[in-house]
Amino acid sequence: EADIYQTPRYLVIGTGKKITLECSQTMGHDKMYWYQQDPGMELHLIHYSYGVNSTEKGDLSSESTVSRIRTEHFPLTLESARPSHTSQYLCASSLGASSYNEQFFGPGTRLTVL
Amino acid sequence: AQKVTQAQTEISVVEKEDVTLDCVYETRDTTYYLFWYKQPPSGELVFLIRRNSFDEQNEISGRYSWNFQKSTSSFNFTITASQVVDSAVYFCALTGRRALTFGSGTRLQVQP
Repeated sequence: EADIYQTPRYLVIGTGKKITLECSQTMGHDKMYWYQQDPGMELHLIHYSYGVNSTEKGDLSSESTVSRIRTEHFPLTLESARPSHTSQYLCASSLGASSYNEQFFGPGTRLTVL
Repeated sequence: AQKVTQAQTEISVVEKEDVTLDCVYETRDTTYYLFWYKQPPSGELVFLIRRNSFDEQNEISGRYSWNFQKSTSSFNFTITASQVVDSAVYFCALTGRRALTFGSGTRLQVQP
């Protein structure tokens, strides 16, 4: 069974605040991903990582940044939150370097910026 | 470029009806994988199936079945005897160079 965790599950915050969304997996997966999704809509890749110290931007431009200092941890940071950042953020991981493997998803963080 | 199209935005059925969710994809790759995920109201994506491009056999798992037709670039998903617990958004996805390419999803509402 997949073990990938995201905190917080829900976050309501004011404009201009710095926030970090946490994502951890205990499966030893090399690849990790961040997707942005408006409720019930398409998922858009915003960041991914092949492994430690490897991060790349995804298809959708995002003002967020990520880091990968440890295999199991892939946090996403917004330096100054804005209402346009209101969305659901989903973290995922997959085994190995290939994109052919299934991705395991965390429960998501629903972010609301007032 | 990769593309996944789920033309059905929302489907509503009554419990025990069969329902088919359509998925059409575009890719230039000769080897690729297709996936279906379920997203219940809780928000988490649940993996349902993975199918590689060389295997066109239909697959059945309980009330779920999948029909992969390479000739029409389709990977359709059928739920037999639907239940209220099947209510969710269902996403079809295709392997890409870096990550999965997702369709826009089909919201399935199963009424009691």
